[in-house]
Amino acid sequence: QSALTQPASVSGSPGQSITISCTGTSSDVGNYNAVSWYQQHPGKAPKLMIYEVSERPSGISNRFSGSKSGTTASLTISGLQAEDEADYYCCSYAGSRRWVFGGGTKVTVL
Amino acid sequence: EVKLVESGGGLAQPGGSLRLSCAASGFTFSLYEMNWVRQAPGKGLEWLADIRSSGDTKNYADSVKGRFTISRDNAKNLVFLQMNSLRGEDTAVYYCARNGESEPFDHWGQGTLVTVSS
Repeated sequence: QSALTQPASVSGSPGQSITISCTGTSSDVGNYNAVSWYQQHPGKAPKLMIYEVSERPSGISNRFSGSKSGTTASLTISGLQAEDEADYYCCSYAGSRRWVFGGGTKVTVL
Repeated sequence: EVKLVESGGGLAQPGGSLRLSCAASGFTFSLYEMNWVRQAPGKGLEWLADIRSSGDTKNYADSVKGRFTISRDNAKNLVFLQMNSLRGEDTAVYYCARNGESEPFDHWGQGTLVTVSS
C-alpha cells in the first residue's frame, strides 16, 4: 500500500486561507469517505483535526475544514494563525481493515 | 481524560526483539479498538497494526506482518506490540492510538523511541 501524496510544504500569511491536498487512489481515498487529518507540532504526538472527510471532533476550531473530490481530499485552514504552523498528515481507510497515511505537509505561517 | 502512555522502547540489535506496552486510562478500554503507528526520524506516519476491542481480530501492515504481533490485556488496560526480527528501518517513534466510535486515531500516546542498531 503506497502512501497518499501530499505537497511537502504550504505557506501563507496570518489571516489567509491555505489548502493542503491529499491524493490517493480508487482503492483508498476514492472508495471510502474515511479520510482524516492530523496536526503534529515538533516533538509532539499527532492530533485529530478532521475525520470522515469533513467532520470536526469537539474542540477543533471551525477554521479547519475538509472536503473530497474523487481520489483527492483537501484540508483548508482559514484565518491562518501562528499556532497553525505544524506538520499535517492525511489518512484514509484502504480496505481490509488497513489504513494509509500521507507523507505529510509542513505548514509555514509567514 | 483519555491517556495513553507507551513504554518499552530502547536500543535493539538487528535481528533482535522488543516488546512495547501502552497503558490506557480515562476510558473503558475494553470497548475500543487500538492501533500502533510509527514515525521514522524526519519521516511521516505509518500505520502498523490494529486490534479489535475483544482482541479476537488483528490486522497488520505488510511491512511488519509476520514479524510484529499486537495483543491486549483488557483486565489491565494494556496493549502490546511484540517486535521480532528487527531491522534498521524499524527505527522510529512508536505510538499507540485509540479508534473512537467514528474517529480513527482519535487519541495518541506520547510515543516511545525504538532504535535498531549494532
